[in-house]
Amino acid sequence: GAVVSQHPSWVICKSGTSVKIECRSLDFQATTMFWYRQFPKQSLMLMATSNEGSKATYEQGVEKDKFLINHASLTLSTLTVTSAHPEDSSFYICSARHALVPTDTQYFGPGTRLTVL
Amino acid sequence: AQSVTQLDSHVSVSEGTPVLLRCNYSSSYSPSLFWYVQHPNKGLQLLLKYTSAATLVKGINGFEAEFKKSETSFHLTKPSAHMSDAAEYFCVVSYYGGSQGNLIFGKGTKLSVKP
Repeated sequence: GAVVSQHPSWVICKSGTSVKIECRSLDFQATTMFWYRQFPKQSLMLMATSNEGSKATYEQGVEKDKFLINHASLTLSTLTVTSAHPEDSSFYICSARHALVPTDTQYFGPGTRLTVL
Repeated sequence: AQSVTQLDSHVSVSEGTPVLLRCNYSSSYSPSLFWYVQHPNKGLQLLLKYTSAATLVKGINGFEAEFKKSETSFHLTKPSAHMSDAAEYFCVVSYYGGSQGNLIFGKGTKLSVKP
């Protein structure tokens, strides 16, 4: 149980294009999902917290107009990297928290490797 | 304020020998503490979680961790390392605790297992 998927697992795009990453909770409902990015050999950095049906809360220093987050249902959140540049290349990981169980445990997706040329 | 410090960036052990990955935390609240494992190019998998119940927490794959409030530590151990244990390990503290918590990650400890 508590499986989170991400799609795509890796993507290569040209500079200036936009890329959408999907995060799905497969066997549970998640009112809250989180988006992280991870640079090589570093820890995870929280980018934003996404609550179903409301606007995402972004961490300090994260551009909300560049990293668009939509959480339209209890099982799906999307992160769109707009006008991507090489410095946006990173490993993006989402996580989800169970809607029906009062817990701070987060279940993580397998990650999406983004390379911007 | 909450924070977490992983004392070793890299630990190397031989297969079959014990594993010790050290973690110290700072929290103004009764913390929830986690250990996650990340294999190369993969997401994070929850190994175990402490939530103020038993201080010795048993996790998956033979790992366990002991919460020591007096030492503000939550070290991860395993009696006998396996080659498949080679990965990055993150000690994590819940930001607020309870159902409102966000997570603060340590910088990670890379575990290498030699044959």
